[in-house]
Amino acid sequence: GENVEQHPSTLSVQEGDSAVIKCTYSDSASNYFPWYKQELGKRPQLIIDIRSNVGEKKDQRIAVTLNKTAKHFSLHITETQPEDSAVYFCAAESDSWGKFQFGAGTQVVVTP
Amino acid sequence: NAGVTQTPKFQVLKTGQSMTLQCAQDMNHNSMYWYRQDPGMGLRLIYYSASEGTTDKGEVPNGYNVSRLNKREFSLRLESAAPSQTSVYFCASSAALAGGSDTQYFGPGTRLTVL
Repeated sequence: GENVEQHPSTLSVQEGDSAVIKCTYSDSASNYFPWYKQELGKRPQLIIDIRSNVGEKKDQRIAVTLNKTAKHFSLHITETQPEDSAVYFCAAESDSWGKFQFGAGTQVVVTP
Repeated sequence: NAGVTQTPKFQVLKTGQSMTLQCAQDMNHNSMYWYRQDPGMGLRLIYYSASEGTTDKGEVPNGYNVSRLNKREFSLRLESAAPSQTSVYFCASSAALAGGSDTQYFGPGTRLTVL
């Protein structure tokens, strides 16, 4: 089955700096890679996703890159703000369509 | 639209008690999921339902049963709760159809403690 590894587990950045979170996956058949943000005590919410026919996708200060050959994908947050502080999860399609394997999460702390 | 709703929000059980967690979605989604979230372990899939009338095991199904009551509702049952089932439980739904994955939308979660 799919195995997703996520690094780092914690990330502290100064406000205005960039943050990068990296994930690797094992199943070369995976075609869909979403990223979720979870604030303390809240539900995970999708922030961006990418499909395997695209190498990069951007939405304002957030971007995701995908390298299918190397089986890794990354989340980039630019000009970080205190409201970006949260746990971020990557995920990859697992075993078959519709199912995800999630990474263990990255706690991002943005200090003013 | 309420999206995905779950009841209850909080629950405390004693070892051996049973309970059912309820989940409903109003987005006309085909696929529904139950996850548990434990510190440092991300979200782990317990069971999922690709369509009304079908259910399949996920990564951690032991100790749980599910029912896809209709297209809207997907319930999770703990027959004999154990302390190891203390966790936060999330229900999710997706428009995913055969051959293609799609965004999963999560409910607000149920925080369960088993004493």
